[in-house]
Amino acid sequence: AQSVTQPDIHITVSEGASLELRCNYSYGATPYLFWYVQSPGQGLQLLLKYFSGDTLVQGIKGFEAEFKRSQSSFNLRKPSVHWSDAAEYFCAVGAVNTGFQKLVFGTGTRLLVSP
Amino acid sequence: KAGVTQTPRYLIKTRGQQVTLSCSPISGHRSVSWYQQTPGQGLQFLFEYFSETQRNKGNFPGRFSGRQFSNSRSEMNVSTLELGDSALYLCASSLPGGGNYGYTFGSGTRLTVV
Repeated sequence: AQSVTQPDIHITVSEGASLELRCNYSYGATPYLFWYVQSPGQGLQLLLKYFSGDTLVQGIKGFEAEFKRSQSSFNLRKPSVHWSDAAEYFCAVGAVNTGFQKLVFGTGTRLLVSP
Repeated sequence: KAGVTQTPRYLIKTRGQQVTLSCSPISGHRSVSWYQQTPGQGLQFLFEYFSETQRNKGNFPGRFSGRQFSNSRSEMNVSTLELGDSALYLCASSLPGGGNYGYTFGSGTRLTVV
């Protein structure tokens, strides 16, 4: 069965500093990978997705993620964090054996941005 | 283009009651999925509907059910509510083959069971 691990529960970054959020997945075939962001009391907003092709994926709000098959990782990065980036971030995998009809989410990483 | 609309935004129910939540997908999206989000269990898949048929179901008791209408709108129902059903219920819609296109989530319905 597929699974996603986000090892960092909380991360604090200074405004203007770079950010990397870690995500490791377990899945036998090529996964469909997603990063979502959730602000308090809100739903999930898609930041970016990876299906195939170029392993460096660009998303919205200046985020990017790199798929590394050898490490089963899909880490999210941003070169310069803004205070408005404070939120919870979820990595998710979609599985072909379910027709990509469901997502399996990690437990999330809460990003705090310090002034 | 309107997003995924979930109603109501907030609900308070008493143990033992039942509740119905509604989800209107993005126009043209025929797949609707439901997720439960709790602090303890995180985001868990409930079920997915396409063309009024449930194609996939998560590991939830039979008290959780859903349906989809011909206009792709979906409802989920929870009967005999328990305190542990308190959660944010999120609906997501996508084009067929959701993984290819990504899923768009609504803002959720916050259900509190007292």
